[in-house]
Amino acid sequence: DTGVSQDPRHKITKRGQNVTFRCDPISEHNRLYWYRQTLGQGPEFLTYFQNEAQLEKSRLLSDRFSAERPKGSFSTLEIQRTEQGDSAMYLCASSLGAGVGVYNEQFFGPGTRLTVL
Amino acid sequence: RKEVEQDPGPFNVPEGATVAFNCTYSNSASQSFFWYRQDCRKEPKLLMSVYSSGNEDGRFTAQLNRASQYISLLIRDSKLSDSATYLCVVRSGGSYIPTFGRGTSLIVHP
Repeated sequence: DTGVSQDPRHKITKRGQNVTFRCDPISEHNRLYWYRQTLGQGPEFLTYFQNEAQLEKSRLLSDRFSAERPKGSFSTLEIQRTEQGDSAMYLCASSLGAGVGVYNEQFFGPGTRLTVL
Repeated sequence: RKEVEQDPGPFNVPEGATVAFNCTYSNSASQSFFWYRQDCRKEPKLLMSVYSSGNEDGRFTAQLNRASQYISLLIRDSKLSDSATYLCVVRSGGSYIPTFGRGTSLIVHP
């Protein structure tokens, strides 16, 4: 399967614990996005990488959230000191882009469903 | 006002019906528009891009009205398999970041 993959698919944790999610984009894609989606809502943007550079981060993202894409391939999203309000589906998407303003189709991974007890 | 607004529905229609969804956007500098489809507990997938001249793909027609700042999606001859949530996506010029609406739920029944 050459699509976007995410691991784990489900994560249950206790409040206050740290969690880390991994995303493997489509191999030739240079753009990588993280989103959060709750029931009845569309995906909400969290952060964006172009190759290994984190170019944008949502103003809504607290300091407990951090993301990396160290070699411009896979990415990790870490949430520290999880809260019940962090419970959501975390989606990763990748695309092949060239130039500012050029937007190509995003391909989404299956998501990681986080439940914070 | 939210940047992208959609009626969440659900729209409940019989097979064979024609159904239309609208999506309004607030940023007049928006340049790219898309419809994504999301099945229950699945990831979103691109349904179609929306061009200024409108575009059609089989039973699906998408249109853009810049003056009134909305895009529409028309589905003709609805199939049971069309049941899903349809997400409106808007991107402003010069930005890499698309904004998703909350989605419109469509239920097609026999």
